[in-house]
Amino acid sequence: EMKLLESGGGLVQPGGSLRLSCTASGFTFDNYAINWVRQSPGKGLEWVSVVSGSGDLTYYADSVKGRFTISRDNSRNTVHLQMTNVGAEDTALYFCAKDYFSSGWGHFDSWGQGTLVTVSS
Amino acid sequence: QLELTQSPSASASLGASVKVTCILSSGHSSYAIAWHQKQPEKGPRFLLTVDRDGSHKKGDGIPDRFSGSSSGSERYLTISSLQSDDEADYYCQTWGTDIQVFGGGTRLTVL
Repeated sequence: EMKLLESGGGLVQPGGSLRLSCTASGFTFDNYAINWVRQSPGKGLEWVSVVSGSGDLTYYADSVKGRFTISRDNSRNTVHLQMTNVGAEDTALYFCAKDYFSSGWGHFDSWGQGTLVTVSS
Repeated sequence: QLELTQSPSASASLGASVKVTCILSSGHSSYAIAWHQKQPEKGPRFLLTVDRDGSHKKGDGIPDRFSGSSSGSERYLTISSLQSDDEADYYCQTWGTDIQVFGGGTRLTVL
């Protein structure tokens, strides 16, 4: 059974930083891209970023480009999302999602339970 | 621009069927989509993909009550024999070159 578990969420001040982690099991980790998707309070799902299975390709939504960095450690079946210079608009429940393809740009076939990030002073 | 449009809400009675619609933006009618279910306090759950020809592939463990179909630029999710547990938000997702897109979601109420 494919499983994804997010961690690292919490309260962070505006302009601050936070690192989210996603640990996976139940599939050959480095064969698949991993995405981050967020849901702000009362809003829909918003794609944030993707890292390819090998880790050499990364892409970002315009709303986070230059502030967030995605990376992966295939030896630990883990993907990280480093968030910097956060603002109120980054307050959301953050989910990681397994892509159907190694390169990304496919549908998401497994999701985590989410980790909550709250940006507030 | 690749976009997905969903009606904000839908409702149907317990035991009945409901069809949820997702509309691809102009020029993108050949795209496949995926449907996801989002219940409160839970992570999203992948349901199935729907191709341009209406064929669909379900995720692991998804009941036969869930099915997909297609007509032109519209992609559908049909849920039959509605159960109270089907009350949730349903999102369609599609993908292109360097882009992932979600529809705005449809909140399904089971009466």
